[in-house]
Amino acid sequence: QVQLRESGPGLVKTSQTLSLTCNVSGASIRGGYYWTWIRQLPGKGLEWIGYISYTGSTYYNPSLTSRVTISVDTSKSQFSLALTSTTAADTAMYYCAHGPPGKKDAFHQWGQGALVTVSS
Amino acid sequence: DIQMTQSPSSVSASVGDPVTITCRASQGIGDWLGWYQQKPGKAPRLLIYPASTLQSGVPSRFSGSRSGTYFTLTISSLQPDDFATYYCQQGADFPFTFGPGTRVDLK
Repeated sequence: QVQLRESGPGLVKTSQTLSLTCNVSGASIRGGYYWTWIRQLPGKGLEWIGYISYTGSTYYNPSLTSRVTISVDTSKSQFSLALTSTTAADTAMYYCAHGPPGKKDAFHQWGQGALVTVSS
Repeated sequence: DIQMTQSPSSVSASVGDPVTITCRASQGIGDWLGWYQQKPGKAPRLLIYPASTLQSGVPSRFSGSRSGTYFTLTISSLQPDDFATYYCQQGADFPFTFGPGTRVDLK
């Protein structure tokens, strides 16, 4: 079974870049999955950020597309999230997730989450 | 974006009670609707996707159905492990969007 684990700084200064990594174990990162980032704002609902596919294609939420990049490092079996020009509104729990092979539209495996606070 | 609404926002129930949660999509999404359960401090867990397909390992007391753009999640007999927040999510069109959640707590 695929396991995911997020890592990265828990505190980011306002206007700087939020960077998180998701380590993938139990499956090849080129194994047909859509590697996805989702965030949960404090006490609020869930927001889909975007994905990088096993072919390297990406798709981002239009509300974030000017600030977000998702990339993959196959040698380390990791994929990453970079979110630029952060504000307090980006404070959230960030999850990496994926669905069954070839499926981008539902998420049956999640990491434990990484809480990121954006503050000056 | 496709807007997802849920009702009620919270429900209080007792062990053994049936519970029904409704999710409505702002436009047609076919059956491309998932239901997630989230407990405090944990990641969401996919229960049902698409609309009425139970994921592996999910107890049969959970079921999902669809009528047009309305979807329901039913717990036939609430168990202690079911007290949680439930979210719907549409997978029909980008960006994928979630409902605001329904909290199920103990009466």
